[in-house]
Amino acid sequence: EAQVTQNPRYLITVTGKKLTVTCSQNMNHEYMSWYRQDPGLGLRQIYYSMNVEVTDKGDVPEGYKVSRKEKRNFPLILESPSPNQTSLYFCASRRLAGGTDTQYFGPGTRLTVL
Amino acid sequence: GDSVTQMEGPVTLSEEAFLTINCTYTATGYPSLFWYVQYPGEGLQLLLKATKADDKGSNKGFEATYRKETTSFHLEKGSVQVSDSAVYFCALSEGVIQGAQKLVFGQGTRLTINP
Repeated sequence: EAQVTQNPRYLITVTGKKLTVTCSQNMNHEYMSWYRQDPGLGLRQIYYSMNVEVTDKGDVPEGYKVSRKEKRNFPLILESPSPNQTSLYFCASRRLAGGTDTQYFGPGTRLTVL
Repeated sequence: GDSVTQMEGPVTLSEEAFLTINCTYTATGYPSLFWYVQYPGEGLQLLLKATKADDKGSNKGFEATYRKETTSFHLEKGSVQVSDSAVYFCALSEGVIQGAQKLVFGQGTRLTINP
């Protein structure tokens, strides 16, 4: 089954404790992206990647890092989480070749930073 | 920059009512337009899309027409069901292959359908 998976689905942590949210897709998509969803703001892009070893900032990259060492994986790293990073996070992927621009989303990771 | 504005929610309707969720956009180019749906506890799923002016996207009884002259992409359904209760997001994407390829989302509209 074609899917985007994220782990963990729920996480409660404390300020300053480094964490990683994993994202994996099995569709051989070149493009992957991270979004955060906050009430009244919709989804905002944090980082994206056009292919292995190619990443770039989205609209709200401060406080986040990413890496793309393999095509299927795109982890989101919070080196020193703060309460304003409490949010619902979504990973997404899509093909670049072929012209379709449909993105496929993971189930989300709800993060609470105390 | 590009932006998407949706009608504010929450929206509450009775089963079999007619639904309209308004969406307007601002973009410098010729974006593709999307409606995504988020059911409780789940990620976003593509509901429908349109890639050029006057295209109509449709799926599961929902429809939306890409109106370039009014920069709108309103979502409609003739007869809603309880199972349509969800959050609906309008979004746009600039370009097809090149470029940043990010989706720009509206703020979302929570829809509740009562039996």
